[in-house]
Amino acid sequence: SAVISQKPSRDICQRGTSLTIQCQVDSQVTMMFWYRQQPGQSLTLIATANQGSEATYESGFVIDKFPISRPNLTFSTLTVSNMSPEDSSIYLCSVGDRLNTEAFFGQGTRLTVV
Amino acid sequence: GDSVTQMEGPVTLSEEAFLTINCTYTATGYPSLFWYVQYPGEGLQLLLKATKADDKGSNKGFEATYRKETTSFHLEKGSVQVSDSAVYFCALNPSTGNQFYFGTGTSLTVIP
Repeated sequence: SAVISQKPSRDICQRGTSLTIQCQVDSQVTMMFWYRQQPGQSLTLIATANQGSEATYESGFVIDKFPISRPNLTFSTLTVSNMSPEDSSIYLCSVGDRLNTEAFFGQGTRLTVV
Repeated sequence: GDSVTQMEGPVTLSEEAFLTINCTYTATGYPSLFWYVQYPGEGLQLLLKATKADDKGSNKGFEATYRKETTSFHLEKGSVQVSDSAVYFCALNPSTGNQFYFGTGTSLTVIP
């Protein structure tokens, strides 16, 4: 299993500003995933972060809006840039086990943009 | 493409009632299937999983059987408790991919 620490757990931000969310894993993992969970919705994959290469973004998400860093095998950050109220969501970091047969999640970051 | 369709909520049950949350999937190949639970204010936790047809996943009194013929993975519990109140997500992991696909989630409230 993997233990994921994500911070901040919540934040209230002004529109036009940026927020960086940190994700720390207690073991080395190849891939880390960032999801968005909008109110009352399911999880939507934003991007997959691989150590040593650029993140792979899903349709509808771009690097300028959601830049991701992956400096080592245990850490990643997601930045939500130039925020608007539509960015108000829960953002979740996730990793798979070695064979990717199970996904583990951080507790999430609840973001409110005002 | 791969996807999961999940019964919409919210669902409200009395304590000790029987629970069923329907989940069907679309996938090529032989995906693994999962149920995740999200308690209020927390991240998602794995509840149970099944990796091949006819497998039954079980945990904490919850069960789900991987039915390839009906492409379903319905979640059941014979007697729910107040502490089961949470949002439940059905998910699949394709046999050839790294990404997990999640259903829309079903909110369950159990009242005493």
